[in-house]
Order: sequence, then structure tokens, then C-alpha cells
Amino acid sequence: DIQMTQSPSSLSASVGDRVTITCRASQSISTYLNWFQQKPGKAPKLLIYAASSLHSGVPSRFSGSGSGTYFTLTISSLQPEDFATYYCQQSSSTLWTFGQGTKVEIK
Amino acid sequence: QLQLQESGPGLVKPSETLSLTCTVSGGSISSSSYYWGWIRQPPGKGLEWIGSIYYSGTTYYNPSLKSRITISVDTSKNQFSLKLSSVTAADTAMYYCARSVAGVSDYWGQGTLVTVSS
Repeated sequence: DIQMTQSPSSLSASVGDRVTITCRASQSISTYLNWFQQKPGKAPKLLIYAASSLHSGVPSRFSGSGSGTYFTLTISSLQPEDFATYYCQQSSSTLWTFGQGTKVEIK
Repeated sequence: QLQLQESGPGLVKPSETLSLTCTVSGGSISSSSYYWGWIRQPPGKGLEWIGSIYYSGTTYYNPSLKSRITISVDTSKNQFSLKLSSVTAADTAMYYCARSVAGVSDYWGQGTLVTVSS
């Protein structure tokens, strides 16, 4: 199995802050990396696919980068509606796996 | 607008079989390029991919669950289903269905909570 490790597990930030979340894969996954946002009681929503492509309708303050084993999700200016849990997910192998999640909380 | 909706019992007894159905509306489940799958999330925990199916019936299962799961598709009803046998309390989770294309799950159902308890 390809293990996905996110850091940090949680962070506190203020509105307007620049936030970066890191995701590392246990082996190279090229750019088969997706990012999701999940709010309490809701289904995950796709933000970024193929490491850096913005999903339709997602604000441009979200961006993704990376390839191989190291990836980042950046929120350029945190908005109140961005407080949520974020997950990375690899689809390089036939067994898709998720990171453990990063909870972004209000400071 | 594509919509997915999970349905099934919210309570299942230990050792029994969990059965869920996902109904797809606003699009055809027989469209090429799309896979239809299941993901679950135990309360307060992270996401686990269960498996996926192509409209032709080709399936991919999580090896950790493979011996207990069956995913099937009914193109006439525009539905796909999940069966998970011999459930235990560890199978208590929110179960989501989702559409995937090229490994990207872009549409999700709202989820259905299944509790395993006697």
C-alpha cells in the first residue's frame, strides 16, 4: 500500500493568513494526487486534482503543487468558510489511499 | 447536474451483511470513462476507499476488505450497490458513494451512516 502522511495534523490560523499543508507519499506517485475539503457533517469536496489543477468552481486562493513524493496545498488568504479538514488522496495505484487529514481551525 | 444518493439500513447486526445502494441522477451510469465507488469514514476518523466499479462490471477492491465486499452495478436502474459481509463494530461508519474519472472523485453523495450493533 502507498501510505500518505499529512502535516500538520491540525493548525490554528487567522482570516487572511497564508496556510500550507504538506502531504508525503511513501513512494513516487507522479502527480496522481488529489486534495479534498471536508466540513463537519458533509461529504468531502474536490479542490485540486492531478496535484495542481483547480477543480471547477473552486476559488483561486487554493493552489496545489508537487510531484513524486512531496505535495503541498496552499490557501493564499484564509477565509472564514475555509475552516475545515483537508485530505490528500493518491490514485497512482489500484488501491487509493488518503492522508489522515489536517484540521484547520480558527485562531 | 449529477447527483448521487445513498440508501440502505442505518443499523446492521454484527455478523450480518451491510447492503447499500447509490442512485445516480442527472447522468448515465453507463457513460464511458467513469468509475463508481464507495468510500467510508468511521466517526471522528479519516477516509477509507472501499472499491470501485465500471459500468461493464469491472471492479477494484481494497485488499483489506476484498474477502467481504461485493460491488455491483444495475444500469437499468442507474444504480450501483455495496455489500459488506460479516460486519463488526469496526464497520460502523459514514458510507459515501462517488463518481470517479481518471482517479479523481469529483461527485459525491451526501453519505449515509451505518451503525453495527445488536
